[in-house]
Amino acid sequence: QTVVTQEPSFSVSPGGTVTLTCGLKSGSVSTTYYPSWYQQTPGQAPRTLIYTTNTRSSGVPDRFSGSILGNKAALTITGAQADDESDYYCMLYMGSGIWMFGGGTKLTVL
Amino acid sequence: EVQLVESGGGPVKPGESLRLSCAASGFTFSSHSMTWVRQAPGKGLEWVSSISSSGTYIYYADSLKGRFTVSRDNAKNSLFLQMNSLRAEDTAIYYCAKTYCSTTCPTDQWGQGTLVTVSS
Repeated sequence: QTVVTQEPSFSVSPGGTVTLTCGLKSGSVSTTYYPSWYQQTPGQAPRTLIYTTNTRSSGVPDRFSGSILGNKAALTITGAQADDESDYYCMLYMGSGIWMFGGGTKLTVL
Repeated sequence: EVQLVESGGGPVKPGESLRLSCAASGFTFSSHSMTWVRQAPGKGLEWVSSISSSGTYIYYADSLKGRFTVSRDNAKNSLFLQMNSLRAEDTAIYYCAKTYCSTTCPTDQWGQGTLVTVSS
């Protein structure tokens, strides 16, 4: 049972803008879930992009941004590049010290 | 530069135990909570456990309680994951990750992971 929901796949054209979302099967995501976002390319360890909704991790370019859109957390990539083609995961704080990842979104840049 | 190096993975049979280690450097280990995350082959990320900077507060994914135990040695800048009664579904790459704070918060830096394979 997937509690944290993400789009399984998404595509974007080079130079385009894409917004990936992170929701809950039941309920709305707010800043109190401290959403964070991670990028992972095949065979590599994850890389942290965004934490606590909209704070970029060190070294992450400003074309990656996080927000709350409606009842979901969102990761927006502006000016997509070929090397943005990756899997993207969100993670939410569920309370009582427990964190949970979404199922991930496979982003294709073509 | 932050470095996190996991070790201790390998092949084991169902029901056996394994202890993973994570050697940390490049930051004040005793000031940061730490997290274990795993990834089964071809699957997504799964949060396993977090431990506060002092080791006082420890949290586990509900599905793992009772079989896995996390600990840390701040004097040796090391994090550990003791895994007992291993099952085939525990087969995964196990990542050690540093968090942004001393209590419960998201990860920022990740190790390269160590592969655990549970098979008869």
